[in-house]
Amino acid sequence: GAGVSQTPSNKVTEKGKYVELRCDPISGHTALYWYRQSLGQGPEFLIYFQGTGAADDSGLPNDRFFAVRPEGSVSTLKIQRTERGDSAVYLCASSQTNPARGGGYTFGSGTRLTVV
Amino acid sequence: GENVEQHPSTLSVQEGDSAVIKCTYSDSASNYFPWYKQELGKRPQLIIDIRSNVGEKKDQRIAVTLNKTAKHFSLHITETQPEDSAVYFCAASIGGGSYIPTFGRGTSLIVHP
Repeated sequence: GAGVSQTPSNKVTEKGKYVELRCDPISGHTALYWYRQSLGQGPEFLIYFQGTGAADDSGLPNDRFFAVRPEGSVSTLKIQRTERGDSAVYLCASSQTNPARGGGYTFGSGTRLTVV
Repeated sequence: GENVEQHPSTLSVQEGDSAVIKCTYSDSASNYFPWYKQELGKRPQLIIDIRSNVGEKKDQRIAVTLNKTAKHFSLHITETQPEDSAVYFCAASIGGGSYIPTFGRGTSLIVHP
């Protein structure tokens, strides 16, 4: 597609429920990143994919968070047993293998997750 | 891992004035430094970036400078306009591998007409 698409744009869920957030990157971008942004803060790294594999998941806060990218394109971030502290905007970005060669990182509009 | 500090957290200027936002990074292996503008409720948008083999880069009213020795880089906006009002984020990433960017906490720029 022309840009990075994230769905849903808003998600309200009850504490303890399971949620899935979807990211559709720019066609041809091999790298995909998930970030979490709380109000007044910069994006906080969660996980990075190069192709189908999770090359770096060091930012995932705990084992309730998991992400997949089975075909090297669309990615899904999965959060189990949601907690109120998980409430944030979840941003996805994609880039060429080397973003410094042009285009940098392109962000989606994010999914605003609210856990009540 | 990389740590990026950004100052100031809030910057208020009059239309037509210049604005400067400064960032420092901790890992000398970082070699790519993008800057993003985020308007309220919208996605971060790349406005300018610089690679470590360059000391300065300019694009119309926006410029970025990089001091590798001191490990700091700055965003300069001249002739500010009300539409420049937004939150600006700097980032640093280490090349040769994942290029995962580490972001600063952001600067809220307010340009008064």
